[in-house]
Amino acid sequence: SAVISQKPSRDICQRGTSLTIQCQVDSQVTMMFWYRQQPGQSLTLIATANQGSEATYESGFVIDKFPISRPNLTFSTLTVSNMSPEDSSIYLCSVRQNEAFFGQGTRLTVV
Amino acid sequence: AQSVTQPDIHITVSEGASLELRCNYSYGATPYLFWYVQSPGQGLQLLLKYFSGDTLVQGIKGFEAEFKRSQSSFNLRKPSVHWSDAAEYFCAVGAGDSNYQLIWGAGTKLIIKP
Repeated sequence: SAVISQKPSRDICQRGTSLTIQCQVDSQVTMMFWYRQQPGQSLTLIATANQGSEATYESGFVIDKFPISRPNLTFSTLTVSNMSPEDSSIYLCSVRQNEAFFGQGTRLTVV
Repeated sequence: AQSVTQPDIHITVSEGASLELRCNYSYGATPYLFWYVQSPGQGLQLLLKYFSGDTLVQGIKGFEAEFKRSQSSFNLRKPSVHWSDAAEYFCAVGAGDSNYQLIWGAGTKLIIKP
């Protein structure tokens, strides 16, 4: 199993600012997945982060808005840039080792 | 296209009653199937998974699920629900290769009547 430490757990941010979310995994993994979960909704994949290459973004998500870093096999960051209230959501990082493991999530409120 | 359908947005059952949550999938390869639960304000917890073998799988908290290939279904069941089972339940399907994401259903919210 994998244990993922994600931080911050929550934040309230002003519109127009940026927030960087960090995820640390206790084992080396090739791929890390970043999701957004809006209230009462399912998980929406933002991007897949592979160490040593640029992240692969899903339709509707762009690198300028959600830049991702993946400096090594145990760590990744997601930045939510130039935030607006529509970005208020829970952001989750995840890895798979057959099943999916998740960080505890970052609850972001943009005011 | 790959997809997971959970046709019930919410389900209300009485405490002590039996439960079945439906999940249908469309997947081009041999599916790995999962059920996760998310309690209010909590993270996602794996209830059970199916990779191969016996099509009836047992999970935590008294849950079980049955894989029916002919129906492309993986329904979750519990013989007697408890108030603490009130939560959102997500079905997911994926490849055996962990480098690929899971495909998630929209979720079913379970409401327990006292």
